[in-house]
Amino acid sequence: RKEVEQDPGPFNVPEGATVAFNCTYSNSASQSFFWYRQDCRKEPKLLMSVYSSGNEDGRFTAQLNRASQYISLLIRDSKLSDSATYLCVVNGAGGYNKLIFGAGTRLAVHP
Amino acid sequence: EAQVTQNPRYLITVTGKKLTVTCSQNMNHEYMSWYRQDPGLGLRQIYYSMNVEVTDKGDVPEGYKVSRKEKRNFPLILESPSPNQTSLYFCASSQRSSGTSTDTQYFGPGTRLTVL
Repeated sequence: RKEVEQDPGPFNVPEGATVAFNCTYSNSASQSFFWYRQDCRKEPKLLMSVYSSGNEDGRFTAQLNRASQYISLLIRDSKLSDSATYLCVVNGAGGYNKLIFGAGTRLAVHP
Repeated sequence: EAQVTQNPRYLITVTGKKLTVTCSQNMNHEYMSWYRQDPGLGLRQIYYSMNVEVTDKGDVPEGYKVSRKEKRNFPLILESPSPNQTSLYFCASSQRSSGTSTDTQYFGPGTRLTVL
């Protein structure tokens, strides 16, 4: 079983739609959680951290469910510019900044 | 401008010909690491460094070497490249290695390596 699992997609949605991605992780000792965005053939960039209480940044909402070991990302009012691959990232236990990356979920927003 | 740079960005080489991919950051970050990204597998960590002269293996270190003689530089060395090392490589850095949510990793633009 992979340490971080995501549905690869693609999720094809029209502009203005709401779309949600889930990601599951296997290590219950994981402490930090993130969503990164990666455009085609470019470097990953931090989209948002995921806090235990959930957090929102504009049209993006991230949630953490420790009991079920999954995190989610909700995108409201999708824009064409949201088309990208979204990487679920989990900090591995061990006291140092080891990030474990999911393979990513591809989102394609169409007019 | 704060950034992580990698060179070369693209490289095609042949089996067994030693190569080095350079990585440099100008943010005075302590922590640096190398990843490779392959389709369907996500980014996998090759090596990491918590500070100067401190390096350790990641998940897929076989066939790679690194060094950290200066804080800003963290080159990746392939002594004898093989076709299974064909991949997209990213260097990354962060302020610290404590693993807290404030330690955002900044990635370089990537190096696309093809080994024939």
